[in-house]
Amino acid sequence: SQQGEEDPQALSIQEGENATMNCSYKTSINNLQWYRQNSGRGLVHLILIRSNEREKHSGRLRVTLDTSKKSSSLLITASRAADTASYFCATDSLSGYSTLTFGKGTMLLVSP
Amino acid sequence: DAGITQSPRHKVTETGTPVTLRCHQTENHRYMYWYRQDPGHGLRLIHYSYGVKDTDKGEVSDGYSVSRSKTEDFLLTLESATSSQTSVYFCAISSPGQGNEQFFGPGTRLTVL
Repeated sequence: SQQGEEDPQALSIQEGENATMNCSYKTSINNLQWYRQNSGRGLVHLILIRSNEREKHSGRLRVTLDTSKKSSSLLITASRAADTASYFCATDSLSGYSTLTFGKGTMLLVSP
Repeated sequence: DAGITQSPRHKVTETGTPVTLRCHQTENHRYMYWYRQDPGHGLRLIHYSYGVKDTDKGEVSDGYSVSRSKTEDFLLTLESATSSQTSVYFCAISSPGQGNEQFFGPGTRLTVL
């Protein structure tokens, strides 16, 4: 079963606007990660936030984590057409060997 | 793609035939993973390996087997392919102690007729 669920499933915005994607998960985690996938390509790691962190920044990306609500958000500021991709959250578990469970993804379309 | 290659990149096969997909890494990462990606299901873990000859099942392992005889190679075998195994297959690698950031290969598109 999917641990993470992204919301919305699809998002369409104009260049320069901000894009916010949300992820909810079910069980306690060590870390939550966000990945990007361009059409026809493999996933690329964007950012990792640990369970004891509330917010993290990387360039135009801002990730928040609320462990009490079991949710995370990814904000992309000043979007560009090149940001058009699918975005996935992934969670680990408190036990086991370094496996991740991925959500179904949010498809972001940024129009020029 | 972080020193990960997958072969073949595309394959069309018939129902009932055996298929082997290969993942090769040059990064010396300890962990290797096989996922399948299908519309509406996202990415699902098939099998993973935490060392040479050490493998374990993932969420959707039925109908698949794996082998890892060398650090750099992780093979995924469909013993008798079925149409439900038509999918895009991704290999990934990671190392412990890095928060399990995973690096993905380019994918293999498999069609079972």
